[in-house]
Amino acid sequence: NAGVTQTPKFRILKIGQSMTLQCTQDMNHNYMYWYRQDPGMGLKLIYYSVGAGITDKGEVPNGYNVSRSTTEDFPLRLELAAPSQTSVYFCASRPGTGISGANVLTFGAGSRLTVL
Amino acid sequence: QQQVKQSPQSLIVQKGGIPIINCAYENTAFDYFPWYQQFPGKGPALLIAIRPDVSEKKEGRFTISFNKSAKQFSLHIMDSQPGDSATYFCAASGNTGFQKLVFGTGTRLLVSP
Repeated sequence: NAGVTQTPKFRILKIGQSMTLQCTQDMNHNYMYWYRQDPGMGLKLIYYSVGAGITDKGEVPNGYNVSRSTTEDFPLRLELAAPSQTSVYFCASRPGTGISGANVLTFGAGSRLTVL
Repeated sequence: QQQVKQSPQSLIVQKGGIPIINCAYENTAFDYFPWYQQFPGKGPALLIAIRPDVSEKKEGRFTISFNKSAKQFSLHIMDSQPGDSATYFCAASGNTGFQKLVFGTGTRLLVSP
């Protein structure tokens, strides 16, 4: 059982480039999330999804886009990368409501992105 | 109202000491208060959680104390060990809608041998 898998682990981008951070979970979780973690700032929610085909903005969505075509995958797209997007990105998932452990988030290992 | 304020930002204790990390919230609709533990290079993982119908919850050496009237909750680590050195995040969520977790800013704990 792999849990939540993120790729790549590290990436350096130039200003203005675009890229996609991949996230896959094999737990059949309905809810998936993207967070960014900056020093001293905690975890900020970028986008989330409550199921395939349904996504919504979190606290800091500007400069990002997501899609959820399957239950398993929730890629995060960065368009026109900026230095302010230098961060560690975490994907997470949880089962949803009415299920044992519904509130427990399972996180991936993170993707460290540097924009120069 | 959506913020969770966490303190201190960093903490150093000796092995066997009892580090205490505090969090405060404003939103009275919050009804689920977890703590997540994060080791370097890893994603956060759930450590322990509490709901406001109890004032304390223990799991092994980890205890959450909850004060509903003060809107505060804290994590205590009994007999702390060097292996407890990590970053700890408190969080909170409500029981309506999507139940989004709001995280505190984190506390970096170092337990010296």
